[in-house]
Amino acid sequence: AQSVAQPEDQVNVAEGNPLTVKCTYSVSGNPYLFWYVQYPNRGLQFLLKYITGDNLVKGSYGFEAEFNKSQTSFHLKKPSALVSDSALYFCAVRVSNSGYSTLTFGKGTMLLVSP
Amino acid sequence: KAGVTQTPRYLIKTRGQQVTLSCSPISGHRSVSWYQQTPGQGLQFLFEYFSETQRNKGNFPGRFSGRQFSNSRSEMNVSTLELGDSALYLCASSLGGGDTDTQYFGPGTRLTVL
Repeated sequence: AQSVAQPEDQVNVAEGNPLTVKCTYSVSGNPYLFWYVQYPNRGLQFLLKYITGDNLVKGSYGFEAEFNKSQTSFHLKKPSALVSDSALYFCAVRVSNSGYSTLTFGKGTMLLVSP
Repeated sequence: KAGVTQTPRYLIKTRGQQVTLSCSPISGHRSVSWYQQTPGQGLQFLFEYFSETQRNKGNFPGRFSGRQFSNSRSEMNVSTLELGDSALYLCASSLGGGDTDTQYFGPGTRLTVL
């Protein structure tokens, strides 16, 4: 079975400061990892994904994430937070050994960026 | 290219009724997945369709069903609605539904069961 943990329900950061939203995963096989963001009353927007290769993945809106196999983590980062980044962030995982596996999501982390 | 569209955006039903939700995927996408989002359970996978066939199914009762048409549009149906079915139902499409494919989500249908 595959699972994703987002250990923080909420992350607070001041505008201009760096932000990190944590994600750890548990799979039996090679993981494919995704980050999505959800604004109020909206669907999920794709930010970035890790498939293979370089452990640092760059995505939309200045976000990036680092894949760490030994720590089974895929933390989302941004060097300088904006108030408009305030939203609900989801980490998700798939396992590479089944061809058409389902996407498993974490519970989500609310990011609040204060002016 | 137009994104994933879902209709209706909001629905209010009463217990015991049934409901049908519709999803139109991004042009060229053949895989459609459905998710239920609630504050308590988060995002839970319902089912996935590819080429009119259900390829994966989540752990939901048989009251939840779906189908996909030849143009890749999909519908999901919930019969005998219960209060606990109140949720945001999200549809996502991807090219082929493979492990490395990105799923793109629609805005969702907010279902309220009274």
